[in-house]
Amino acid sequence: DTEVTQTPKHLVMGMTNKKSLKCEQHMGHRAMYWYKQKAKKPPELMFVYSYEKLSINESVPSRFSPECPNSSLLNLHLHALQPEDSALYLCASSQEIVDRGNAQYFGPGTRLLVL
Amino acid sequence: DQQVKQNSPSLSVQEGRISILNCDYTNSMFDYFLWYKKYPAEGPTFLISISSIKDKNEDGRFTVFLNKSAKHLSLHIVPSQPGDSAVYFCAASVESNFGNEKLTFGTGTRLTIIP
Repeated sequence: DTEVTQTPKHLVMGMTNKKSLKCEQHMGHRAMYWYKQKAKKPPELMFVYSYEKLSINESVPSRFSPECPNSSLLNLHLHALQPEDSALYLCASSQEIVDRGNAQYFGPGTRLLVL
Repeated sequence: DQQVKQNSPSLSVQEGRISILNCDYTNSMFDYFLWYKKYPAEGPTFLISISSIKDKNEDGRFTVFLNKSAKHLSLHIVPSQPGDSAVYFCAASVESNFGNEKLTFGTGTRLTIIP
């Protein structure tokens, strides 16, 4: 099973709303990731959680707040977003690094539109 | 600064022929390389990877070649099938201090297989 699930699939929100994106994996992976992808661009890393602790924050604005409640779940809390934050938000997970070279497995993404 | 580059935004190949997708990188610290395939409105799907200690890795119809001195890798798909039509992303990683992978993606190549 190499499935990463994300909800919701689509989200429309106003600039004053608060919403959350959810990601779940049951592969026993200990690293989880949030990426942002704009149209015709490659995915850009936002956050990395390793063993449920935030290990990388790629200078993401504070209106994006990640949370890892347990090893299978990853949330991204959204507040006071801007229209330019509209994008596809991708979650990924990978095994802990024992040997180098564990691929990241991606979910289908949440397509976010900020009005 | 684009550290991973895919200079061909699109490629068309006849069904049954070989598809060759190219990728160049500039960061000599990268030590692990991956190829992902992406259909519209879906997350990237992991295809194949290669460690910098190897120069070739094969998995079914997919072969990845790495030329470290030229900082170049390529993905060969043979024979090409209509279902291979998608956007292909090259990605490179360097192990972070936390033992997880920080992926840098190329800009993608849209492959179209002509029946």
